[in-house]
Amino acid sequence: QKEVEQNSGPLSVPEGAIASLNCTYSDRGSQSFFWYRQYSGKSPELIMSIYSNGDKEDGRFTAQLNKASQYVSLLIRDSQPSDSATYLCAVSSAGNNRKLIWGLGTSLAVNP
Amino acid sequence: GAVVSQHPSWVICKSGTSVKIECRSLDFQATTMFWYRQFPKQSLMLMATSNEGSKATYEQGVEKDKFLINHASLTLSTLTVTSAHPEDSSFYICSARIAGSRHEQYFGPGTRLTVT
Repeated sequence: QKEVEQNSGPLSVPEGAIASLNCTYSDRGSQSFFWYRQYSGKSPELIMSIYSNGDKEDGRFTAQLNKASQYVSLLIRDSQPSDSATYLCAVSSAGNNRKLIWGLGTSLAVNP
Repeated sequence: GAVVSQHPSWVICKSGTSVKIECRSLDFQATTMFWYRQFPKQSLMLMATSNEGSKATYEQGVEKDKFLINHASLTLSTLTVTSAHPEDSSFYICSARIAGSRHEQYFGPGTRLTVT
């Protein structure tokens, strides 16, 4: 059973701080890794994708991938109250009928 | 780019009736679309994978005769909830994958279904 695990939280950080969100996955054949943000009552929104080991930066967001440790993380710098949401980690492998395997999400609260 | 629309955004229907939800990719071709259901405070649950021109692949436990999926073109997939019951009340969300992309999915805004 392919799994993606995340801490459910809530993770609470003060405004301006760095929020660190973590995700582990079980399938070593995984090739594509995604972070989605979901506000309450809304649908998920893709914020980062990463495919190779190392860091990928986009604005205040940095995704980090370590395939040897089967670990992917998302850092949010200068956290804002508008970043308060649930962050979903999703993983895909080549032979998975194009499905994404989803974590249950980490709830982030950024306190003003 | 990569905009997905859903219609309607919310619908209320009576028990026993059928409801059709449309999912459209507005600025790209989507060979694969996905239908999810999400209950309050729970995670996404994949219902089915829809490939253009072929039958949908349903996840275990999802009744294919109750949730009819049609993917007739590269930009449109529909989900019909047949003989809806109150327990079908949920947030239904579609997503689409750009043809040739690396599996990222772009989500529509969702349809909130309430069955009375």
